Amino acid sequence: DVKVTQSSRYLVKRTGEKVFLECVQDMDHENMFWYRQDPGLGLRLIYFSYDVKMKEKGDIPEGYSVSREKKERFSLILESASTNQTSMYLCSTAANTGELFFGEGSRLTVL
Amino acid sequence: QKEVEQDPGPLSVPEGAIVSLNCTYSNSAFQYFMWYRQYSRKGPELLMYTYSSGNKEDGRFTAQVDKSSKYISLFIRDSQPSDSATYLCAMSVAGTSYGKLTFGQGTILTVHP
Repeated sequence: DVKVTQSSRYLVKRTGEKVFLECVQDMDHENMFWYRQDPGLGLRLIYFSYDVKMKEKGDIPEGYSVSREKKERFSLILESASTNQTSMYLCSTAANTGELFFGEGSRLTVL
Repeated sequence: QKEVEQDPGPLSVPEGAIVSLNCTYSNSAFQYFMWYRQYSRKGPELLMYTYSSGNKEDGRFTAQVDKSSKYISLFIRDSQPSDSATYLCAMSVAGTSYGKLTFGQGTILTVHP
């Protein structure tokens, strides 16, 4: 079974703090994604990566950056957290069939 | 207008009912259509995957795609309390990076005993 592990399930941060969300996959998939999920808006793509050190902006990249130094690890960075970044963050990896495998999510609250 | 529209519900049905979940979309380039199920406090998991138009059946679940109407559906027969979850439709364009999906808003389904 594919396993996508997000290191933090619940985080509470203050406005202006730097936040790191870590994601690790064990299936040697090339493509990895960060989505955020908000009520009434569904999942929206923030960034994705198709190879080590490669990244592309998704639909809502503003206020976020990413890092992919190793194939299995894809990190989402909030340089200066704001209250409108309070959300559920979902990391996923894609098989070459297009199927996405998701982690259990990181629920971030910014006060 | 969102590229993919999905009625968020919530939808509440008795056990044994037939459930119909639907999405409409505006981008005629979408070729791959998926339904994900998400239990509370969990990540989404793939339920059904179809390519282009047609029907696909898997046990109690049937996925339909009507590209001419830009409309997809998921039917659940003999619904069970364990089907209570959020259902997300998702779709992608052929030739793009695989896994880059556009999601609907999700429909919250409750099946009560």
